[in-house]
Amino acid sequence: QQQVKQSPQSLIVQKGGISIINCAYENTAFDYFPWYQQFPGKGPALLIAIRPDVSEKKEGRFTISFNKSAKQFSLHIMDSQPGDSATYFCAAGYQRANNLFFGTGTRLTVIP
Amino acid sequence: EAQVTQNPRYLITVTGKKLTVTCSQNMNHEYMSWYRQDPGLGLRQIYYSMNVEVTDKGDVPEGYKVSRKEKRNFPLILESPSPNQTSLYFCASSLAGAAYNEQFFGPGTRLTVL
Repeated sequence: QQQVKQSPQSLIVQKGGISIINCAYENTAFDYFPWYQQFPGKGPALLIAIRPDVSEKKEGRFTISFNKSAKQFSLHIMDSQPGDSATYFCAAGYQRANNLFFGTGTRLTVIP
Repeated sequence: EAQVTQNPRYLITVTGKKLTVTCSQNMNHEYMSWYRQDPGLGLRQIYYSMNVEVTDKGDVPEGYKVSRKEKRNFPLILESPSPNQTSLYFCASSLAGAAYNEQFFGPGTRLTVL
């Protein structure tokens, strides 16, 4: 069964808008929550990650919000740009272990 | 340049014809993993390896084999491919045991089994 559930499957946003992708997990032992970005024809690459001891992490236009009690985390892309058009994967894992459990992915399209 | 390489990038084959997809990394990473990516299913782990001669099953290992004879290489073997193994395959590597491990992915291998 899917350890991490991700929604929506696809998302279309106007340039300058906010893109929001949501993920939920069940295993409360997870303590590492990365987001990966994948451009067409490329492998996924780490975008941003968060630990559960903080509720928010921001890097430029990208922000992870984390709600430990609800077992949910989300990626917010502010001022979305056409260059952000990609597939985004959330994941969950353990800090000192290597295996990650990925969500099903969200294909983001930012319209100029 | 630090990277994960995969070969071939594209492969069309027929049912039952054994094939190997190679994966190599030049970052001296202990951990290596194979994933398959399918629409609506995301990235699913096939096999992983924590170090040389140490491999273990992921979520979808049926129909696949791996070996880890050298630290840098982690080939994926399909001994008798079937059409349901048509997919996009990714190899990844990372340091073992470090905090907040970043996985580095290869460029992918698109496999079609007819």
